Amino acid sequence: KNQVEQSPQSLIILEGKNCTLQCNYTVSPFSNLRWYKQDTGRGPVSLTIMTFSENTKSNGRYTATLDADTKQSSLHITASQLSDSASYICVVSERTSYDKVIFGPGTSLSVIP
Amino acid sequence: NAGVTQTPKFQVLKTGQSMTLQCAQDMNHEYMSWYRQDPGMGLRLIHYSVGAGITDQGEVPNGYNVSRSTTEDFPLRLLSAAPSQTSVYFCASSADMYNEQFFGPGTRLTVL
Repeated sequence: KNQVEQSPQSLIILEGKNCTLQCNYTVSPFSNLRWYKQDTGRGPVSLTIMTFSENTKSNGRYTATLDADTKQSSLHITASQLSDSASYICVVSERTSYDKVIFGPGTSLSVIP
Repeated sequence: NAGVTQTPKFQVLKTGQSMTLQCAQDMNHEYMSWYRQDPGMGLRLIHYSVGAGITDQGEVPNGYNVSRSTTEDFPLRLLSAAPSQTSVYFCASSADMYNEQFFGPGTRLTVL
């Protein structure tokens, strides 16, 4: 069964520190992997999209990596800000069909002063 | 551009009532989807559409109907609300299956 797992479930860091969130998946055949940021009470917003051939993608202070061989991805946040407090969701798509999009449960990040 | 809009933001229903959640997008996207988000779980696909006049079921379609008469609108109908349908519902659109999805602000539904 296709699955997406994320760790940790939640994380608290001090403002200005870096952090890394993990995503492991078993989706096959693989199409792309996306990271979304979801603020409380809002819809998810796309941060990065990576295909099989890409292993790094940056969006400002957010850098996503992908190892398609081990089926692992990470999202690194540099110099965290209070506004980074949110849920970060890893989403993996199968190559075959639009409806085969698997959402991970998310990592809840709290950045404190 | 307004992006993806959803109405209402909040709704309380009694068991057995029916209602329609509205979703509209102004980006001329062909692909639209409805998801529900429950605590501790990833978003789950209810129904999706790859263009006007075309809809299909996702992972959890039971109890919901959709239609796509125009490119812009993709309403979700709850036929006979049940407490298990208490959730936050998100509509999303994208240009195609490989591009990023744009999500609406969500509708928080409570069924008593």
